[in-house]
Parts: sequence; structure tokens; C-alpha cells
Amino acid sequence: DIQMTQSPSTLSASVGDRVTITCRASQSISSWLAWYQQKPGKAPKLLIYKASSLESGVPSRFSGSGSGTEFTLTISSLQPDDFATYYCQQYNSYLTFGGGTKVEIK
Amino acid sequence: EVQLVQSGTEVKKPGESLKISCEGSGYRFSNYWIGWVRQMPGKGLEWMGIIYPADSDTRSSPSFQGQVTISADKSTSTAYLQWSSLKASDTAMYYCARHIISQADARAGYFDYWGQGTLVTVSS
Repeated sequence: DIQMTQSPSTLSASVGDRVTITCRASQSISSWLAWYQQKPGKAPKLLIYKASSLESGVPSRFSGSGSGTEFTLTISSLQPDDFATYYCQQYNSYLTFGGGTKVEIK
Repeated sequence: EVQLVQSGTEVKKPGESLKISCEGSGYRFSNYWIGWVRQMPGKGLEWMGIIYPADSDTRSSPSFQGQVTISADKSTSTAYLQWSSLKASDTAMYYCARHIISQADARAGYFDYWGQGTLVTVSS
């Protein structure tokens, strides 16, 4: 099984900050990685697929990068609506989610 | 507009059976895989399995194989997740989501549209 490890598990930031979340795979997954945003009591929302492709309708302040085993999700300028939990998910072999990163207000 | 609408909150006792549903609209339901994802209270996301409504081809996570049954009725554009005997540990939010198959692994992919979730509580 491919394990996905996200860091940090919690991140405190202010509006306007540049935020970076890391996701590491236990083996190479090429670029088969997606990122989701989940707000409390809501379903997850797809942000990024194939490591760096922005889903339609997602603000351009979100970007994804990486390949192989190390990936990042970057929010270029954190907005009030961005405080949420973020999950990565590999789909190179079956599919597995990372443990999540909660972005909270500093 | 793509929509997935799930059935409502369920409160059950251990040992009872349950079938929850997910109705798709706004797209050709038969031609897209549908997946189920579990989220236990305060925890992360876990993939359970996927189904292709056109022919009911099903692929299950090894972690959930034999624990639940995934089915679909293409005539009503509805997917189902079913338990024959619930346990307290099945208490969770369950999401259905439209699944885009990976080019790397036909068992895998990502989810582009999600239902609102069905909360299942199992308690004596």
C-alpha cells in the first residue's frame, strides 16, 4: 500500500500569508496526486489534480507542484475563505488519502 | 450542473442492516464511476470502493472488502452503499463522489464532484 504523509498537521497563518503544505508518498506516484479542501460540516472539494492541474472554478491563488514522492500545495495569499482542512490523495495505485492539514487563523 | 444528492441521516442499532443512496444528475450517470468515502468522527478520509453504473463493475478497497456492498441502478441514476450487519465502528459520515479513473491504475482515480454526505450513527 502507498502511504501518504502530510505536514504539518496544523498550520497557523494570517490573511495574506503565503502557505505551503507538503505531501510525501511512500513510493513514487509520478504525478498522480490530487488535493482537496474540506470545511467543517461540508464535503471535500477538489482543488488540484495530476499534481498541478487547477480544477475549473478554483481560484488561481491555489497551486500544486511536485512529482515522484514529494508534492506541495501552495496558497499564494491566504484569504478568509481558505481556513479549512486540506487533504492530498494519490491515485497511482488504488487510492489513499493523506492525514490532512488544518489551516487555522493565527 | 452536476449534482450528487445523498439520502438522509440514519440512526441504527448494532446488527441492523442499512442501505444509503446517492442520486446523480446533470451528467450521464452511467458513464462515470461513482465512489464512496468514509470519514469517521474527527478523522480523515478513507476510500471504500467505486462502481461503474453502466455495467456495475465494482472495485473495493482491501480495507472494506466484504464489509459493505456497493451497487448502482443506472435506470434511476442512483448508487448505493449497503451493510448487512452494522457495528458501532461504522459510525461515520459517508460521502459519494464522481470518480475520474486514473490513466495509471484502472482501480484508482480522483473525485471531482461530491455529495453532501450521509451521517450514519450506530448505537445501542
